[in-house]
Amino acid sequence: EVQLVESGGGLVQPGGSLRLPCAASGFRFSSFDMSWVRQAPGKGLEWVSRITGSGGSRYYADSVKGRFTISRDNSKNTLFLQMNSLRPDDTAVYYCAKHLPGSAAAFDMWGQGTLVTVSS
Amino acid sequence: DIQMTQSPSSLSASVGDRVTITCRASQSISSYLNWYQQKPGKAPNLLIYSASTLQSGVPSRFSGSGFGTDFTLTISSLQPEDFATYYCQQTYSILWTFGQGTKVEIK
Repeated sequence: EVQLVESGGGLVQPGGSLRLPCAASGFRFSSFDMSWVRQAPGKGLEWVSRITGSGGSRYYADSVKGRFTISRDNSKNTLFLQMNSLRPDDTAVYYCAKHLPGSAAAFDMWGQGTLVTVSS
Repeated sequence: DIQMTQSPSSLSASVGDRVTITCRASQSISSYLNWYQQKPGKAPNLLIYSASTLQSGVPSRFSGSGFGTDFTLTISSLQPEDFATYYCQQTYSILWTFGQGTKVEIK
């Protein structure tokens, strides 16, 4: 069964850091690009970052560029999001998502999400 | 960044109704347009990718069309389980963006 499980969320003070892991299972992890998507409480979806299967290319939304870093450990089938200089408007449920194979850029599998709350 | 605008933001419909949701891009995105369904407290679910390709396992009452800047998601006969929020997403540019969502409610 294909599964994505995020963890690492919680309450953090403004200016703090947090690292979110996403454990993947049931598919050949290294063959698929992956993304992080977030959703602020009661709001819509926001794409945050994506990384190619090899980890060689990474892209970021303007809202997080320079503060967040996406990475992956293909030997451990795990995706990461390192979040630094956190702000209250980073408060959201963070989802990891698997891309479809090939050139069809879409998310065919999502984790259950982990809530990050940035507040003093 | 490419802006995605969905209309309407919400709609009320009855079971059996035909429902159409529109998504407009601020510039041409070819057919790099996806549709997702999200129910409260759940992760989104992919319905349509590449503007018109039905994702495996998705009922055939869902369909997508469009190219360039204007796209539509159609539900041919609304079912009770279809009451949810729907999002479009462009993956044409390096930076991907979602529409603001369309909430489909029971009339």
